[in-house]
Parts: sequence; C-alpha cells; structure tokens
Amino acid sequence: GQQVMQIPQYQHVQEGEDFTTYCNSSTTLSNIQWYKQRPGGHPVFLIQLVKSGEVKKQKRLTFQFGEAKKNSSLHITATQTTDVGTYFCAGPMGNQGGKLIFGQGTELSVKP
Amino acid sequence: GAVVSQHPSRVICKSGTSVKIECRSLDFQATTMFWYRQFPKQSLMLMATSNEGSKATYEQGVEKDKFLINHASLTLSTLTVTSAHPEDSSFYICSARDPGQGMGEQYFGPGTRLTVT
Repeated sequence: GQQVMQIPQYQHVQEGEDFTTYCNSSTTLSNIQWYKQRPGGHPVFLIQLVKSGEVKKQKRLTFQFGEAKKNSSLHITATQTTDVGTYFCAGPMGNQGGKLIFGQGTELSVKP
Repeated sequence: GAVVSQHPSRVICKSGTSVKIECRSLDFQATTMFWYRQFPKQSLMLMATSNEGSKATYEQGVEKDKFLINHASLTLSTLTVTSAHPEDSSFYICSARDPGQGMGEQYFGPGTRLTVT
C-alpha cells in the first residue's frame, strides 16, 4: 500500500545549528503538506507544495518538493528553542476525497 | 484562520463504558471531517472520514461498531468510543478542511486524551 516515510525519527541539535528532515513517498503525490506538532499539542499546518521542484521559504524554514514529486524536505536554519516539536509531512491518500497519509514524523529537540 | 475545537480535552472512563468526543468547526462549514488516533511518539493514524449527511467511511482495521461517528451538521462531528477498554486509551484528534480557503490543508482540533481504567 501507499507509504510515506520520514527520516530521521529524532534529531537533537544545539541551538543555532541547522536541521533537516526528509520525506519520501512510495507514490507520486499531487501535493505535499507539512505540519508541526508541539509537545502536548496538535498538528498545525505549515505549508503545502504543489509544483515539481518547488521551493518555499517561511523565515528560517525552507521547504522543497522533489522533481519527481515523490520526496520533500524541510530545512530549518539556525534552530531556536521555539522550533522544538515533531514535524510531519503528509500526502494525499490516493484520490480519496482529501484524506492524508502522514509520515512517521521527525522529533526535533533543541538544546539551548 | 480556520479553527477547530474538540471536547473534552481529557477524559478518564472505566472499562466497559462509552465516551463521546465532539469536534466542531468554529468559523467555517465542514462537509468532511477526519478522525485520527495517535499513540505516544507515533504518527497520526487515520481512523475514519466523517461525512455530513451520510455514513462515515472507516479505514481498514477500524471497527465501525466500536467507533461510532455521527456528522450531525456542517459544523459538528462526534466520535463515540463504545465499550471502551484500556487498549483504546489514546490521543484522538479530529480535523477538517475549510473549502473556502487554502488548497486542501487540514485544520486540527486540540485533541482528546482518553484514558480507560
């Protein structure tokens, strides 16, 4: 079945270091979405990428969608303690009315 | 932005009892809502899709008779965990899409932490 895989599972960084999480889909995706879940919280939508090779930036966050639309990455430059949380990528589940399949998530911890 | 509320935020119940969780879209109408389950340190697992005015569709392996879903209006979906057992203890989160904005992203409620004793 369709799978979305995400690595690494955990990442511990010193404040100020960069961070990257990678997302790979077993199928071509029409779009990919990224969510952030703070400890004890719920997922919050960050961004959606639609076009092949698309790159979008949100302040220190850079999102990329691969040329084949099967992989994506999220890069955070100069991490801050406020970046702590789990980052999930998610892609549409087949053509099934808006359902999403989530990656396993990457838990980021930042040491001040 | 789109806001989704969920109630209760936390519930403890005894084994064998039923628990109802409400999910509301506060500033938009949602014909479709989604129910997820999340275990500690794990990803979100889609349980079912709640459709206003029709039956919910369940993902493979999810017991429809145990997890009853009712989408009573364009702003309310409920999930009832029937005859709860300790293994049903989990974090249940609903989400909805706002058809009036965005491109299909989902807005999540704050979640309900269910503990069955």
